Amino acid sequence: EVQLVESGGGLVQPGGSLRLSCAASGFTFGTYWMSWVRQAPGKGLEWVANIKQDGSEKYYVDSVKGRFTISRDNAKNSLFLQMNSLRAEDTAVYYCASGFSTHDYWGQGTLVTVSS
Amino acid sequence: QSVVTQPPSASGTPGQRVSISCSGSSSNIGTNGVNWYQQLPGTAPKLLIYNNNQRPSGVPDRFSGSKSGTSASLAISGLQSEDETDYYCAAWDDSLNVLVFGGGTKVTVL
Repeated sequence: EVQLVESGGGLVQPGGSLRLSCAASGFTFGTYWMSWVRQAPGKGLEWVANIKQDGSEKYYVDSVKGRFTISRDNAKNSLFLQMNSLRAEDTAVYYCASGFSTHDYWGQGTLVTVSS
Repeated sequence: QSVVTQPPSASGTPGQRVSISCSGSSSNIGTNGVNWYQQLPGTAPKLLIYNNNQRPSGVPDRFSGSKSGTSASLAISGLQSEDETDYYCAAWDDSLNVLVFGGGTKVTVL
């Protein structure tokens, strides 16, 4: 059974940092592009970033460029999102998802709240 | 405002056919495949249609997708009460190098 389990969310002050993790199982993680997608409370889906199988290519939405870094550890079947200089508008549920642009598998999400 | 546009709402009675549009541009829908996601309240999105008109295993054939030029659509035939939820289209944008989601359409079963 495919599983994606996010962790690392929580309450952080504006300007602070968080590192999200996504543990993958049930599929050959190292052969998939992986992505992060977020959803602000009561709002629609927003793609955040993706990363190639070997980590050699990464793409980001403009609003997080220079602040967020996507990375992966194929040996540990794990995906990460380092989030720095957090802003109130980054408050959202963050989902990890398989694939470059077609997301077959999704995690349950982890809530990030940026507030003082 | 989303690069890709969906109507905020759609509705129909049980058994009816409902269609949701998704309008983009030459750099996204016009060039790349469109995917559709269904999101039930409080849950993660689920892939419903990929590459314009392909259904993943387990998705009922009541759901179908199509694309023409820079627009795509999702049709739900034989509408059921459990179809009442949010639907999103998405496509990669070659100019922006980002995945663009539509703003989402809430389907109501009357």
